[in-house]
Amino acid sequence: DAGITQSPRYKITETGRQVTLMCHQTWSHSYMFWYRQDLGHGLRLIYYSAAADITDKGEVPDGYVVSRSKTENFPLTLESATRSQTSVYFCASFPLVGGENTGELFFGEGSRLTVL
Amino acid sequence: EDKVVQSPLSLVVHEGDTVTLNCSYEVTNFRSLLWYKQEKKAPTFLFMLTSSGIEKKSGRLSSILDKKELFSILNITATQTGDSAVYLCAVVDNYGQNFVFGPGTRLSVLP
Repeated sequence: DAGITQSPRYKITETGRQVTLMCHQTWSHSYMFWYRQDLGHGLRLIYYSAAADITDKGEVPDGYVVSRSKTENFPLTLESATRSQTSVYFCASFPLVGGENTGELFFGEGSRLTVL
Repeated sequence: EDKVVQSPLSLVVHEGDTVTLNCSYEVTNFRSLLWYKQEKKAPTFLFMLTSSGIEKKSGRLSSILDKKELFSILNITATQTGDSAVYLCAVVDNYGQNFVFGPGTRLSVLP
């Protein structure tokens, strides 16, 4: 099915472990984003990517690494997970149409990560 | 630093009531303001506003932007239990890629 999919949907890990959250979109959208959502903070941008091999930091990038070797994939890695990274993570994308942002961010279903 | 504030953070009403959700913002090089509805999963897009004073409407939902006073409102008339959700406001800068979200307003509509 077309769309944006995240995996795993639920993950429990321990402090210090490496975790990778996967994001795959089938639309060939230029831009992809990773957000974390915590109570009281709304959605905060971790990293974003304008195209393959182009990534940039968002508001809360510390402790996270991203890559984008292919347009359709944008994995997020927690190199050494900490309890403060317990959160719900959303991947999102949007196309540029004629150079214009259409306004609509398309979100994945979210990945709920618990770090013990 | 770009910032979005929403009020109230939480609201409980009864079916049939009308509600107004508020969003104020500070952003360098404003381009657009967006409203999303988030139920149990991913946010879904409601409106994009770019010009002051032009109301966007979809069924019982409507929204308007005031670029001079830097705020937007989202109105929901004749609320239904299905309107229960978190409503997120976001602003986008002129580069078109920096979406800054507010904390959201949690709306609960009781039968």
